[in-house]
Amino acid sequence: DAGITQSPRHKVTETGTPVTLRCHQTENHRYMYWYRQDPGHGLRLIHYSYGVKDTDKGEVSDGYSVSRSKTEDFLLTLESATSSQTSVYFCAISEGDTQYFGPGTRLTVL
Amino acid sequence: GDSVTQMEGPVTLSEEAFLTINCTYTATGYPSLFWYVQYPGEGLQLLLKATKADDKGSNKGFEATYRKETTSFHLEKGSVQVSDSAVYFCALRLTTDSWGKLQFGAGTQVVVTP
Repeated sequence: DAGITQSPRHKVTETGTPVTLRCHQTENHRYMYWYRQDPGHGLRLIHYSYGVKDTDKGEVSDGYSVSRSKTEDFLLTLESATSSQTSVYFCAISEGDTQYFGPGTRLTVL
Repeated sequence: GDSVTQMEGPVTLSEEAFLTINCTYTATGYPSLFWYVQYPGEGLQLLLKATKADDKGSNKGFEATYRKETTSFHLEKGSVQVSDSAVYFCALRLTTDSWGKLQFGAGTQVVVTP
C-alpha cells in the first residue's frame, strides 16, 4: 500500500458538466500518473507529473487537464464531460522502477 | 512504437489446473517488464517484475521469465485456485524513460472454477 487514495470512488454526471477527480498520496512521491481503463485497451496514460506544477501529456490527453499545486495532490479535470469519457480512472505513483495504483474512480457520463 | 500484446481472454480453468498467459512486447532497447493483477472491484497490484534478460520474477506461486530472444514475458502458475480469478496485465517500462511511464497490454481475464 503506497498510501494512495482517490475521490470520489464513484460518480455519475451529465454530458457537458465539468468533473474533477482527486488523487492524494501521503508519502511524498514525486512521480504521479493518471490512467483510464477501458475494456480491450488495458490502461492508457492520460497525464503525468514529476512534481509541483510539472506535468505533461500522455497518449490520451485530449479533453483532460491536470493540476498539481501540492506534492500530495494530483487533480484530473474533465472540462466538459462526454460519454466517451465514461471509464474507470486510476491514479498511480512511482517508487523506483515500479508503479503503485490507487483504488480507482468509476465515472459514468450520461 | 513500444507495445505489449497479451493473449485474449477470458481464460477459464478448473481449480488446480496449470495457467499460462502469453505476453510479448515490442520496444526499443531493453525494457523492464511487469505483471499486474486486478481483483474484482479493486485497483492494480504488482504481481512480479523482471528488469533484465533471463531474470525470473516470482510471487504467490506465479512466475515469469524475461526472454529477450523471443521478446516474451509469459506468466505461469502450476496450480491455480479460485482466488486467482482476476484480470492480469503485462506491462513494460523503457529504461531510457526518465518519467517511468508504463505501456500496458489489454489485460487477460482469468476465471477459475471449483
